[in-house]
Amino acid sequence: AQSVTQPDIHITVSEGASLELRCNYSYGATPYLFWYVQSPGQGLQLLLKYFSGDTLVQGIKGFEAEFKRSQSSFNLRKPSVHWSDAAEYFCAVSPGEDKIIFGKGTRLHILP
Amino acid sequence: DGGITQSPKYLFRKEGQNVTLSCEQNLNHDAMYWYRQDPGQGLRLIYYSQIVNDFQKGDIAEGYSVSREKKESFPLTVTSAQKNPTAFYLCASSIRGSIYNEQFFGPGTRLTVL
Repeated sequence: AQSVTQPDIHITVSEGASLELRCNYSYGATPYLFWYVQSPGQGLQLLLKYFSGDTLVQGIKGFEAEFKRSQSSFNLRKPSVHWSDAAEYFCAVSPGEDKIIFGKGTRLHILP
Repeated sequence: DGGITQSPKYLFRKEGQNVTLSCEQNLNHDAMYWYRQDPGQGLRLIYYSQIVNDFQKGDIAEGYSVSREKKESFPLTVTSAQKNPTAFYLCASSIRGSIYNEQFFGPGTRLTVL
């Protein structure tokens, strides 16, 4: 069965430091992968998506993610975080059939 | 502006009462979804609909019901059969049949059972 694992429930980084959020997926075919961000009490906003082609994808708000088929990973990165990046981040995979499977999320805390 | 609206933002219910959460979209999307979010659980699919007058159960449909009489609207009813209904509910929509299935989300409704 398809699944998405986000190993880190909470991550804390200092403002201005670099960030990497981990995501591993289990899916037999070429996956369609997403990262979403959710501010407290809000809906989800799409940060970026990967379908094919270049394995390094750029998203909004300065985020990027790299698809590594050999490691079944799709990690999210940002070179320098801002206090406004504090939120919950969800990795997701689409197995088709008009569905998306979400990971359980990683909550990002920013230290001033 | 196109988007998804959910109302109300906060909803309180007494035990034993049914309650209906509203979801409307003007993105002209065929597919719509309802998710439940609990702390540390991610998003779990309750129901989804790919076309008007048709819908399918998701992973946690028990205690919930939906209707899809119009393309723009996909209301969710939380019935008294739902044992633990306090949660954050998210509605989403997407273009049907897209291999990418990028979903767009509403702002959510927080339901609290008193």
